[in-house]
Amino acid sequence: ETGVTQSPTHLIKTRGQQVTLRCSSQSGHNTVSWYQQALGQGPQFIFQYYREEENGRGNFPPRFSGLQFPNYSSELNVNALELDDSALYLCASSKDRGRVNTEAFFGQGTRLTVV
Amino acid sequence: AQKITQTQPGMFVQEKEAVTLDCTYDTSDQSYGLFWYKQPSSGEMIFLIYQGSYDEQNATEGRYSLNFQKARKSANLVISASQLGDSAMYFCAMRVNTGFQKLVFGTGTRLLVSP
Repeated sequence: ETGVTQSPTHLIKTRGQQVTLRCSSQSGHNTVSWYQQALGQGPQFIFQYYREEENGRGNFPPRFSGLQFPNYSSELNVNALELDDSALYLCASSKDRGRVNTEAFFGQGTRLTVV
Repeated sequence: AQKITQTQPGMFVQEKEAVTLDCTYDTSDQSYGLFWYKQPSSGEMIFLIYQGSYDEQNATEGRYSLNFQKARKSANLVISASQLGDSAMYFCAMRVNTGFQKLVFGTGTRLLVSP
């Protein structure tokens, strides 16, 4: 088991609502990346936070936003939910900015269903 | 464009046999890293093995080995002595650097191990 924990594990929301997903990074890790995994697909990079600042962003609209806190935990916020936002959201933590020379540790994911 | 291709949607293997999961990649970078992850039905991405582009020897981690053929841009995962618990989705991923580092994933291969 990794030290990365995500909450909640499952969530059901209505189209148009807003949602906040949380991730606690592994001890000693200062970089958190978020990925969206639609059913039957591989994960897609959403964005990355390093020392409380957004360090990079994938091809996702601005209604996907995030935060990183001084303890390096992170939140993913999605506004104006759409049906296509239904997916497994994965958080990965690593040590040093984007230093993915070794493994990035993933959490167990949050499964979001938008109805 | 940096891309990972996994052409096998599903693979079947009998317990105790070896299996090879295919992965090809496309990048113009000289420095990159290749990863394999296992994703059981619970959703967590479990790191299996890593190969750096400058590593001359194929990576091995217990029953997992990575058959790295740089000229052919392939990074196949070999699982020896399959176990029932190996049944899961397997994702090949590549570390890409676009000013920051992130993982680009393939679409995955579902492995089923039968008794």
